[in-house]
Amino acid sequence: DAKTTQPTSMDCAEGRAANLPCNHSTISGNEYVYWYRQIHSQGPQYIIHGLKNNETNEMASLIITEDRKSSTLILPHATLRDTAVYYCIVRAPNSGNTPLVFGKGTRLSVIA
Amino acid sequence: GAGVSQSPRYKVAKRGQDVALRCDPISGHVSLFWYQQALGQGPEFLTYFQNEAQLDKSGLPSDRFFAERPEGSVSTLKIQRTQQEDSAVYLCASTPYGSYNEQFFGPGTRLTVL
Repeated sequence: DAKTTQPTSMDCAEGRAANLPCNHSTISGNEYVYWYRQIHSQGPQYIIHGLKNNETNEMASLIITEDRKSSTLILPHATLRDTAVYYCIVRAPNSGNTPLVFGKGTRLSVIA
Repeated sequence: GAGVSQSPRYKVAKRGQDVALRCDPISGHVSLFWYQQALGQGPEFLTYFQNEAQLDKSGLPSDRFFAERPEGSVSTLKIQRTQQEDSAVYLCASTPYGSYNEQFFGPGTRLTVL
């Protein structure tokens, strides 16, 4: 799986959009971009994933650049409960038999 | 429905003691993973089961670590002769079948070795 690079930490004002970047310049053509988050004292939680098109679900939006070398996770209206560590992970398709490879992630602090 | 559960949530052990950590995956989930998370780090893979078969144990840090899933549901991670460096959060995750990519995590067990 390709390596990812994320900022160590970010702050966001409550109610504003949180934009979390991820670089994955060595991503292969068939690898997906996954995002998980880990709230304090909980296990990681799946957020969203995508291949090349932008994706949106009830939690977030994922914007992947055309060259697929970077992506941005967007939380449109951040709340205090969104304070967590966010992990960007690149995975091959149908890789359910392989473990997730986590980096250090981005620690997002949502401030009232 | 019920998610992945782990017990105990917290465990304090004296150095040299044996510990057993339990994971109850989501009912019917075929795949089960164990991860170790040191303070300030992302989770790191320990071992993987598909049903009762342990298909990958390449992440186990030493032969003091042993995992089993005898009936293909509940799994136990055992650490013998615990050392201070074993202090970490141990996370369990399950998925419904092998090709499914999303993993469902439990809350973890925080092990502190004194």
